[in-house]
Amino acid sequence: GAVVSQHPSWVICKSGTSVKIECRSLDFQATTMFWYRQFPKQSLMLMATSNEGSKATYEQGVEKDKFLINHASLTLSTLTVTSAHPEDSSFYICSADPGNGHEQFFGPGTRLTVL
Amino acid sequence: AQSVSQHNHHVILSEAASLELGCNYSYGGTVNLFWYVQYPGQHLQLLLKYFSGDPLVKGIKGFEAEFIKSKFSFNLRKPSVQWSDTAEYFCAVNGDTDKLIFGTGTRLQVFP
Repeated sequence: GAVVSQHPSWVICKSGTSVKIECRSLDFQATTMFWYRQFPKQSLMLMATSNEGSKATYEQGVEKDKFLINHASLTLSTLTVTSAHPEDSSFYICSADPGNGHEQFFGPGTRLTVL
Repeated sequence: AQSVSQHNHHVILSEAASLELGCNYSYGGTVNLFWYVQYPGQHLQLLLKYFSGDPLVKGIKGFEAEFIKSKFSFNLRKPSVQWSDTAEYFCAVNGDTDKLIFGTGTRLQVFP
């Protein structure tokens, strides 16, 4: 149980295009999902907290207009990187909280490469 | 603000050696503590967690961790590592919010 999937697992795009990454909780409902960014050989940095039916809460320094988050249902959150640039290349990881407020379950991540 | 520090950035061991990875956190209130592992090319997996109760927590694959409140520490241990334990290990904390704050990670390499 408690499986989280991400799609796509990797994506390559041209500079200036937008990329959408999906995060799904497959066997549980998640009122809260989180989006992280992981640079090579570094830790996970929380980008935003996504709450079903409400606006996402962004961490300091994260551009909300650049990283659009939508949490339309209890099993799906999407992250759209708008007008992507090479510096946005990274590993994006989502996690989902089944509601106990303590444990998050992580997706496998999406590697974004912007050319 | 909460923070997590992992002192060992890169640890190299031979199989059967004992392992201890340090984790210290900074937070004045009640915390929940986690150790996650990320095997090469795979996603984060929970090794063990501490919410309350017995400060010695046993996790999967023979790992354990001890919460020492007075030292703000949650060190990870394994008495005898295997080659398959080669991975990145992350300590994480959450306090009065659901946000997880991660340490910088420790890369463990185990040689046969």
